[in-house]
Order: sequence, then structure tokens, then C-alpha cells
Amino acid sequence: QQQVKQSPQSLIVQKGGISIINCAYENTAFDYFPWYQQFPGKGPALLIAIRPDVSEKKEGRFTISFNKSAKQFSLHIMDSQPGDSATYFCAALDGSARQLTFGSGTQLTVLP
Amino acid sequence: DAGITQSPRHKVTETGTPVTLRCHQTENHRYMYWYRQDPGHGLRLIHYSYGVKDTDKGEVSDGYSVSRSKTEDFLLTLESATSSQTSVYFCAISESSQGADTQYFGPGTRLTVL
Repeated sequence: QQQVKQSPQSLIVQKGGISIINCAYENTAFDYFPWYQQFPGKGPALLIAIRPDVSEKKEGRFTISFNKSAKQFSLHIMDSQPGDSATYFCAALDGSARQLTFGSGTQLTVLP
Repeated sequence: DAGITQSPRHKVTETGTPVTLRCHQTENHRYMYWYRQDPGHGLRLIHYSYGVKDTDKGEVSDGYSVSRSKTEDFLLTLESATSSQTSVYFCAISESSQGADTQYFGPGTRLTVL
């Protein structure tokens, strides 16, 4: 049972382009939506996060867009750089259940 | 990796043998988690702890047990390892279970069960 569906599975973008990763969820108890970035051989690290009372959050080149009615959220990476090449995971937190549910991951490759 | 160490970092074992993975933190965080990471599945929660001797099951807890006798250590045990438990295991910590408190992940343990 995959409660958070993430797409695409892999993404190739040219340097300077926009990378877009999408996630959808069903559980209305989710109340916090973080994105994690993972480099090979490393553990995931928090990149940016949003709460459902906000429709957009921007930190530098990274933006989360959130659509509560559609139960969808997405990560946009502007001016993508080769150093952004990594695996990205969306996640959703059910605070009452104390559990973070992850999407299946997107492997991003930014070509120089 | 936010004061989190995992040991061993790599382990190869045979089916049917017991295996214990250790997570150690120096942050004095209350919550500790064990996840497994498999291609196409992201990270899935195995067990978590919300205090010393307080643990609960996650999404994929069958075949795993945990113990937490000290704030800083959280052990994951595979009583009788199977090939389906070949995976990369990550420990994570957080100050609380709420969204405002980030989960910080350790470097991972790659386990191969032959």
C-alpha cells in the first residue's frame, strides 16, 4: 500500500533547466510534507518542507507547490545544476501516528 | 550526519543467522527510527522509539525486533535473516514526532543476506 505516489521515477534535465517532481497522497491525516535529497552512499537530508495551510514555499532555487484540494504537491528546481544530481524523495507526516511515509524516489540527472 | 553513527556499515551474512545493527546518536534526541531502503519503494519504516524502552511497529516490522536501553542507542535485530531482508538500513533521529522537528538520517548499513 503506497500512500504517497511519486513521479517520475527518473528525470534528465539540461543545466539551467527546470526540474519538476510530483507527489500525490490519499491520507488526509498528513499534516507536514518534506522533501529529502540523497546523494549516493549517504543518508537522506531534508531539503525543504511545507505545511498544508500554505500553497507555496520557496528556498533559493527550490520551490514546493501544494494543492490541498487535489492532494498533490511538487518540487521545482530552478536553474538546475549538475550538483543537484541526486535522488529526491517526497514524504508526508502523520503527526498523530508519529510516522513519516516516503514516496518511491526520483533519480535526477542534470547534464552539464 | 547530525551526530549519528551506524555499525556495521556493511555486512554479509547467511540465511538463518541472527544479525544486529546498531544506531548511536550524540544529539540526545528522544525519537529514533529504523528504515529500510529498497529500489522502487523509497524508505519504509520498520520500528521506531519514542523513549528508552518505548518502541512501536512501523509499516514493515515483520521479522525485525528492536531495543532501546539507553537514549543514545537503538538496536535493530533480525532474529533469523532471510534473503528478502537484503537492503540498506537507515537510522534516523528527531527531537519530536511533529513536523517542525526534522528527521536526521545516519549514513546507512548495507546488509546482504546470502
